[in-house]
Amino acid sequence: EDKVVQSPLSLVVHEGDTVTLNCSYEVTNFRSLLWYKQEKKAPTFLFMLTSSGIEKKSGRLSSILDKKELFSILNITATQTGDSAVYLCAVARTGANNLFFGTGTRLTVIP
Amino acid sequence: KAGVTQTPRYLIKTRGQQVTLSCSPISGHRSVSWYQQTPGQGLQFLFEYFSETQRNKGNFPGRFSGRQFSNSRSEMNVSTLELGDSALYLCASSLVPHTEAFFGQGTRLTVV
Repeated sequence: EDKVVQSPLSLVVHEGDTVTLNCSYEVTNFRSLLWYKQEKKAPTFLFMLTSSGIEKKSGRLSSILDKKELFSILNITATQTGDSAVYLCAVARTGANNLFFGTGTRLTVIP
Repeated sequence: KAGVTQTPRYLIKTRGQQVTLSCSPISGHRSVSWYQQTPGQGLQFLFEYFSETQRNKGNFPGRFSGRQFSNSRSEMNVSTLELGDSALYLCASSLVPHTEAFFGQGTRLTVV
């Protein structure tokens, strides 16, 4: 059975801390892994990863994929209160255009 | 460029009724997917349309159906509503299949 597991389920940090969010997957016909940030309603796209070992960066956020060990991490450096959100990991599979989501990691950044 | 637009934003229905939700994708996007999000189950895939054809369907009962029009707008319908159908329904569009999907704000459905 396909599954995407995110850890930790929730995390509370202070502003300025660095956090690492984890996503492991067991999915048939893996095509790509995507990260989304969900603050209130609409998940907003962060990264799409298809190749192992190539880091993607956007400001203080970065992510990398390991297709051998079947996991990805999302790093956020110098966290700010605006980073508080649920971070969702999703896997896209070849032959199917739907995304298979993990249950998310709730990040709370306190001043 | 306008994002994905979902209407209505909120709905309250009673058990047994039916409901229709609408999604207008980003201009030029032809692939539309629907998801149900609940606190306990997270985001669950409902179905996906591309060029007016349903190409994938998730593990939901037949009470959940959808369609896509020639302008790529999509609707989903839920008949004989149950309390457990209360959820946030999210629509996502992508330019072509297998590329990053962009989500709308969702429709919050409450069944009483």
